[in-house]
Amino acid sequence: QSALTQPDSVSASPGQSITISCTGTSTNIGTYDLVSWYQQHPGKAPKLIISEVSKRPSGVSSRFSGSKSGNTASLTIFGLRTEDEADYYCCSNAGGDTFELIFGGGTKLTVL
Amino acid sequence: QVTLRESGPALVKPTQTLTLTCTFSGFSLTTSGMSVTWIRQPPGKALEWLTRIDWDDFKYYSTSLKTRLTISKDTSKNRVVLTMTNMDPVDTATYYCARMRLDDFRIDSWGQGTLVTISS
Repeated sequence: QSALTQPDSVSASPGQSITISCTGTSTNIGTYDLVSWYQQHPGKAPKLIISEVSKRPSGVSSRFSGSKSGNTASLTIFGLRTEDEADYYCCSNAGGDTFELIFGGGTKLTVL
Repeated sequence: QVTLRESGPALVKPTQTLTLTCTFSGFSLTTSGMSVTWIRQPPGKALEWLTRIDWDDFKYYSTSLKTRLTISKDTSKNRVVLTMTNMDPVDTATYYCARMRLDDFRIDSWGQGTLVTISS
């Protein structure tokens, strides 16, 4: 299964907002609302920040927001903080006749 | 509190078989909707899903790796074991086990990961 497509990197200043896109196909993101997002700081395990396209787990800041349109999911971070600097990965079920999960290639967020 | 911990060799020779154990606590793999999954991450690269085993013992594998992977569970010991055959240097990665919830496919708890290097 092909990976989901994310931009390699994004950057912004503290206080600004950014959006990271995650593009799949009509067989995965386009069909299912099973998109999740993970934040990974260097040397650490990933952390769930969004599930089912737009749901925030308990304890995750409301500055993180998820959405979906067609075959593309998006993660928006409002009011950037320096601690948001990390890698972000989207994930979806692969769809079709498989039960696999597929990840995006990851986006490095730099908070200048 | 849910915790998962990976254990296994840090160094494996090419062509050998890798066996990793995930020991978990805070949940039961006999509970409906629970699953344990393995994900790896080569140094500096993206996450790659490998396999998962569900509460009802259904197992699913990455299409590209399924001939080399086997996953099993011991619910009495709260352990999940991953074996991967015919290891190659490109398999060098940090291997994570994690809890997955089948209602929405979210991976809500992760182990710290274990770095496995494939080298002679």
